[in-house]
Amino acid sequence: GAGVSQTPSNKVTEKGKYVELRCDPISGHTALYWYRQSLGQGPEFLIYFQGTGAADDSGLPNDRFFAVRPEGSVSTLKIQRTERGDSAVYLCASSPEGARYNEQFFGPGTRLTVL
Amino acid sequence: KQEVTQIPAALSVPEGENLVLNCSFTDSAIYNLQWFRQDPGKGLTSLLLIQSSQREQTSGRLNASLDKSSGRSTLYIAASQPGDSATYLCAVLFMEYGNKLVFGAGTILRVKS
Repeated sequence: GAGVSQTPSNKVTEKGKYVELRCDPISGHTALYWYRQSLGQGPEFLIYFQGTGAADDSGLPNDRFFAVRPEGSVSTLKIQRTERGDSAVYLCASSPEGARYNEQFFGPGTRLTVL
Repeated sequence: KQEVTQIPAALSVPEGENLVLNCSFTDSAIYNLQWFRQDPGKGLTSLLLIQSSQREQTSGRLNASLDKSSGRSTLYIAASQPGDSATYLCAVLFMEYGNKLVFGAGTILRVKS
């Protein structure tokens, strides 16, 4: 595709439910990143994949959050037992390789609301 | 903890003005710095990427400078237009952190017609 795509664009769920957020990176990009943006703040890093493996998951807030990228392309961010504090916009980005010499290109985000 | 700060938090200018947005960061050991634009309810659009070895980058009416030693970057917008109204975010790739960008909170720009 032409850019990074994310689905769904909006997700409303109830406290305690499980959600999955999907990211489809730019074709050929080996690096994929997840960020979370709260209202009025800049995005905060969650996790970085190089290929299929999570190279850095230091930003995941707790063990309710998990992400996979089984074939090195599409990634899914999974949140268990959602809490109201998880409400935010979840952004996905990709780059050709690692970020040291490459721009990160962002998708439109998924707005998650936990009631 | 490495941080990125953007000032001002908000800026309102009349159409046609030249303006400067500021970004400061806490460590000169960086790989690169990226400026983004974000429209309300939308994702981030990359505007300019400045590598650590570079001093500035230009794209159309935008010019970004980088001074690593002082931990500063500026985004200069020439001849501002109402369509430039958006939030502008500065993000730094610190060597200490590898591949994760650290973002400032952004500057909300409004250009009045």
